[in-house]
Amino acid sequence: GAVVSQHPSRVICKSGTSVKIECRSLDFQATTMFWYRQFPKKSLMLMATSNEGSKATYEQGVEKDKFLINHASLTLSTLTVTSAHPEDSSFYICSARTEPYEQYFGPGTRLTVT
Amino acid sequence: AQTVTQSQPEMSVQEAETVTLSCTYDTSESDYYLFWYKQPPSRQMILVIRQEAYKQQNATENRFSVNFQKAAKSFSLKISDSQLGDAAMYFCAYRGSGTYKYIFGTGTRLKVLA
Repeated sequence: GAVVSQHPSRVICKSGTSVKIECRSLDFQATTMFWYRQFPKKSLMLMATSNEGSKATYEQGVEKDKFLINHASLTLSTLTVTSAHPEDSSFYICSARTEPYEQYFGPGTRLTVT
Repeated sequence: AQTVTQSQPEMSVQEAETVTLSCTYDTSESDYYLFWYKQPPSRQMILVIRQEAYKQQNATENRFSVNFQKAAKSFSLKISDSQLGDAAMYFCAYRGSGTYKYIFGTGTRLKVLA
């Protein structure tokens, strides 16, 4: 149980375009999902907390207009990187919360902006 | 603010031997949770072990055990009978009581030598 999927696993896009990453909880409902960014050989940096049916809460320094998060259902949250630039290239990981407070992580999405 | 420190960027262990990974944290809270996550080359975050601060007994999961020293704010992970499959990045994480957010350490890369 407690499986989280992400799609796509890898994506390459051109500078200036937008790309959407999906995070799904496959066998449980997740009222809260989290989006992390991980640079090579670095730790996970929390970008935002996504709550079903409400606006996401962004961490300090994260541009909410660049990283659009939508949590439309109890099993799906999406992260859209708008007007992507090469510096947005990174590994993006989502996690979903189960009761009481455990997080289960998706396999991650590698974004490369050319 | 809470912080998590992993002072060992890299560790090596001989197969079948025992290794201990260090983690210290700083918090003013009395109730919290601590975790060790493993991130293999696939980048999938895998929960290794968790510890509730209110429990004095150290958590154990098969070959993995922790040494939780609450007063010293130390949470080390011991891996016994190391296997090649244990090679990965290991992240220590903290979560305060009543919050969903995790704070991750910078990670320790574990190499297992055959």
